[in-house]
Amino acid sequence: DVVMTQSPLSLPVTLGQPASISCRSSQSLVYSDGNTYLSWFQQRPGQSPRRLIYKVSNRDSGVPDRFSGSGSGTDFALHISRVEAEDIGVYYCMQGTRWPATFGQGTKVEI
Amino acid sequence: QAQLVQSGSELKKPGASVKVSCKASGYTFDIDTMNWLRQAPGQRPEWMGWISSSTGNPTYAQGFTGRFVFSLDTSVSTAYLQISSLKAEDTAVYYCVLGDLHQPPPTYWGQGTLVTVSS
Repeated sequence: DVVMTQSPLSLPVTLGQPASISCRSSQSLVYSDGNTYLSWFQQRPGQSPRRLIYKVSNRDSGVPDRFSGSGSGTDFALHISRVEAEDIGVYYCMQGTRWPATFGQGTKVEI
Repeated sequence: QAQLVQSGSELKKPGASVKVSCKASGYTFDIDTMNWLRQAPGQRPEWMGWISSSTGNPTYAQGFTGRFVFSLDTSVSTAYLQISSLKAEDTAVYYCVLGDLHQPPPTYWGQGTLVTVSS
């Protein structure tokens, strides 16, 4: 299985300041169709996960534009331009390029 | 806008079976994929597999074959996850997720069903 490794595992943040989370895969996530199936999910306390980003850098509808994704190959990142209180929770990267789909271990964003 | 409502929490003894339901409403029939994910306490989610809404054909990830069964009853817009021969390590929140996890449009998640396996 593809191993997804996130860092840091805990991210203290300051409201209004930027934040970034790194995600590294054990194999290239470029699929044979040329796409890279790397998504980011947010899980607020007590809630179901919610997808924020798909295919590295595409925001889902309704996701604030302070969230952005970047990266290629095996190295990816989620960026929050200005952290707001509602962004507190655990963030997971997930790959869907290689069978089976796998998640990173999660990064807890806290104040 | 689709909404998924899952059945309530379950407490089962080792060796028993459980059937979790996931009822869809406001459903757009062009979304074919119903995924199932498991999240053990304090752990990352695990993708268990998916079932096609159009064909009813299930696909299981490694580690989720044999004791796990995905099914559908399209007459009541409901998907099911059945787990047999429950073990303590099956204790987790189980989520149904409608849509492709890796492509647009956005996915729709159930609220999760906590299954606790304890003697």
